[in-house]
Amino acid sequence: DAKTTQPNSMESNEEEPVHLPCNHSTISGTDYIHWYRQLPSQGPEYVIHGLTSNVNNRMASLAIAEDRKSSTLILHRATLRDAAVYYCILKIGGGSNYKLTFGKGTLLTVNP
Amino acid sequence: GAVVSQHPSWVICKSGTSVKIECRSLDFQATTMFWYRQFPKQSLMLMATSNEGSKATYEQGVEKDKFLINHASLTLSTLTVTSAHPEDSSFYICSARDRGNSPLHFGNGTRLTVT
Repeated sequence: DAKTTQPNSMESNEEEPVHLPCNHSTISGTDYIHWYRQLPSQGPEYVIHGLTSNVNNRMASLAIAEDRKSSTLILHRATLRDAAVYYCILKIGGGSNYKLTFGKGTLLTVNP
Repeated sequence: GAVVSQHPSWVICKSGTSVKIECRSLDFQATTMFWYRQFPKQSLMLMATSNEGSKATYEQGVEKDKFLINHASLTLSTLTVTSAHPEDSSFYICSARDRGNSPLHFGNGTRLTVT
């Protein structure tokens, strides 16, 4: 399975932007990059996903490097409710019959 | 948006008893559901893939006779932990997707404590 590497933890201040990096140097051409987050004592929540182009939605932006070996999840203005573990996961292949394997993720702490 | 409901949210049982956890997709049909387990301060570990109308596919090292999975309809999958022991105490989370390539939607998890 293609692997991702994320920092164990990051810290941010409220209302400031946060850039969460992810390395996936063994990514192949059809692998999608997915981001999920998990708040304490809850199930994970989908954040965003992309293939090649940068993506934006109401929660975040995803910036994908041109060589696709890395990506960055951008929270434009962190709030205390964004404190969570953020997981960068590769969806292997372009097919619909996929499963997601979680790594350790990045624990984001947001300071008031 | 798509919602996955998991029940119960927490359960305490005695060693040797069995516990059933339900996972429902509330506003979509899910031909495939997934069951994860998460120990404290660890990541989610995929246990099995639940397919409607067929046998579940278990990940390596997961005992299929201990963790019984039934996916009898397009909106319901159940996980039964049989003869539970204290080491089975964990956070069990299910997920489902409503279309082939759509993101996964997760339930809020079930905290199982075996005494």
